[in-house]
Amino acid sequence: GQSLEQPSEVTAVEGAIVQINCTYQTSGFYGLSWYQQHDGGAPTFLSYNALDGLEETGRFSSFLSRSDSYGYLLLQELQMKDSASYFCAVRELTGGGNKLTFGTGTQLKVEL
Amino acid sequence: DTAVSQTPKYLVTQMGNDKSIKCEQNLGHDTMYWYKQDSKKFLKIMFSYNNKELIINETVPNRFSPKSPDKAHLNLHINSLELGDSAVYFCASSRGTQSGNTIYFGEGSWLTVV
Repeated sequence: GQSLEQPSEVTAVEGAIVQINCTYQTSGFYGLSWYQQHDGGAPTFLSYNALDGLEETGRFSSFLSRSDSYGYLLLQELQMKDSASYFCAVRELTGGGNKLTFGTGTQLKVEL
Repeated sequence: DTAVSQTPKYLVTQMGNDKSIKCEQNLGHDTMYWYKQDSKKFLKIMFSYNNKELIINETVPNRFSPKSPDKAHLNLHINSLELGDSAVYFCASSRGTQSGNTIYFGEGSWLTVV
């Protein structure tokens, strides 16, 4: 089977930098995604890593190490609106389609 | 312009009832999904359709039956509802099955079974 582990909660202050880690165990690995979900809202796509290294998109960056089965999401210049749940997800090719399996999510609280 | 829309947004019903949730996407995608998110925010895939064909069917009770009349619609029918079915159900879509790294989710349907 597959499993993903990420911290359940992270708290940081506005303007700071925070890193949310994700370790995974899976077969047929094709990439690691990150999604953001505000309370009561829909998960929205943030980033995707298929290859090792860092991907940067504005204040958000995502890193992947396939050899370590590890990735992280880095959020810089934190803003109050970044308070949300962040999910890592692995894309696996299974049968006739691909499947996105999500981690349990990290609740990020940004404080003044 | 809503990309993935699902109705109803809120649904409260009694145990044993049958209910449906409808989903439509206007993104031109050919792959659609149903995900279930429980009270602990664990998000798990239930079904996936590609061009109206079922391609992913996770371990879901057969009380849950998806139907895709065309590639822009994927409805979810639930028979004999149970308390444990209470959750948020998200419809989603993506372009193709090979490039599923970006999945677009609807706003969710909050189902409460009493």
